[in-house]
Amino acid sequence: GAVVSQHPSWVICKSGTSVKIECRSLDFQATTMFWYRQFPKQSLMLMATSNEGSKATYEQGVEKDKFLINHASLTLSTLTVTSAHPEDSSFYICSALGGGAEQFFGPGTRLTVL
Amino acid sequence: DAKTTQPPSMDCAEGRAANLPCNHSTISGNEYVYWYRQIHSQGPQYIIHGLKNNETNEMASLIITEDRKSSTLILPHATLRDTAVYYCASGGGADGLTFGKGTHLIIQP
Repeated sequence: GAVVSQHPSWVICKSGTSVKIECRSLDFQATTMFWYRQFPKQSLMLMATSNEGSKATYEQGVEKDKFLINHASLTLSTLTVTSAHPEDSSFYICSALGGGAEQFFGPGTRLTVL
Repeated sequence: DAKTTQPPSMDCAEGRAANLPCNHSTISGNEYVYWYRQIHSQGPQYIIHGLKNNETNEMASLIITEDRKSSTLILPHATLRDTAVYYCASGGGADGLTFGKGTHLIIQP
């Protein structure tokens, strides 16, 4: 089946630094990828839609200048959390759209900001 | 985007069928219904999805009401390894998914 990977699986950083998270579709090409965030004991919330070769579209309330998304190829999307603060600590999960309606999710990245 | 609601928790005896309900009364005509499950600190695992018709695969069955306002995920013979949080979601295509708050399914031995 289709596999999506994320790197790193976890990261700890100091407040004020930037962190980049990679999302890769390993055995298929994905024109569209999505980024979700999940706080402890809560559901997944869509942050943004990443389209290859164009600007990402962000959900209401998500700051595009803080969460920079780049989708430079059909197999890679990156999310950079800029000037991270403790409230940005969360589980960040990406998904990639396959040929049909199915979305394949990555294993997630646990971000802890000290 | 459709709002999905799910019961927060359910118990089911091992070997019995687990029936998980989801309400999505505001789903639009082109939005799919998806089911995923998540075990602590892992990414969501795809189970099944459908648009109008009932669907079945090796993991589960999905029953969608005719008016599409609700659906039921059926795990036919639950095992202890099926204990997880099950999420109902709507959306699909070029749109991201709107997740419900999830049902914590506990399989009892």
